[in-house]
Amino acid sequence: DTGVSQDPRHKITKRGQNVTFRCDPISEHNRLYWYRQTLGQGPEFLTYFQNEAQLEKSRLLSDRFSAERPKGSFSTLEIQRTEQGDSAMYLCASSPWGAGDNEQFFGPGTRLTVL
Amino acid sequence: KNQVEQSPQSLIILEGKNCTLQCNYTVSPFSNLRWYKQDTGRGPVSLTIMTFSENTKSNGRYTATLDADTKQSSLHITASQLSDSASYICVVSASESNFGNEKLTFGTGTRLTIIP
Repeated sequence: DTGVSQDPRHKITKRGQNVTFRCDPISEHNRLYWYRQTLGQGPEFLTYFQNEAQLEKSRLLSDRFSAERPKGSFSTLEIQRTEQGDSAMYLCASSPWGAGDNEQFFGPGTRLTVL
Repeated sequence: KNQVEQSPQSLIILEGKNCTLQCNYTVSPFSNLRWYKQDTGRGPVSLTIMTFSENTKSNGRYTATLDADTKQSSLHITASQLSDSASYICVVSASESNFGNEKLTFGTGTRLTIIP
C-alpha cells in the first residue's frame, strides 16, 4: 500500500496519560499535515510540516501537543497529560509541494478515546 | 471568517435513486474546491477537485458543479449504490500562493445513507 498510513488505528487511554501517534506519508510527498476530527464535524487543522520544518501551528494545538518530523519522512504527534476533550479522530495527510494541484491525501486516522 | 456550509446534514435514499448534496462557502482567497467521501472510521478520500475556472467535473457516478460567482457547489450522485453510504465533505482551499500553507476549510459533511 503506497498511501498514507497511521499507527495505531485505535488508542484507549486513561486521563493524564501520554500518547504518541505515528504517520507515514506517501514517500515523495514533502508536506505533512495533522488534523483533528470530532464526531459529526469536519477535520480541523492542527499543524503542518514542509520536509522537517514545522511551518504552522493552529491555536488548537495547546502546549500539551507536540509534533515532530525529524527526518522529513514520518511524523509523530504526542499528547501529554491527556484530557477527555482530546478524544477524537486524529488524521494525517500528505501532499506534494510546488506549482499546480497540491491535493492532500489522507490516512485512515487514529481514533483516540480518553477515559 | 472562512466558512463552508453543507446541506442537508443527513439524507436517506433508496438504492438506485439519484441525489444532490449542496455546499456554500465564504473562503478567500479561493484556490480550489474538493468533495471528499469519508466512510465511518476512515480518512477522507478525494472524489473531485475543481478550480475557479471549472464549472463541472465528473468521476464515475459522481458529478460536481461549481458556481464561483455565487460561491456554491453541488455533488450529484447518480444511480446510488449501498457502498455510497458515507459522509460527503465539501472542502475549500485558500492559498495565497503556491509557496504558502494550503489552508483547507472543511464543511461538517452530509451523512448519506442508502437503503436497499
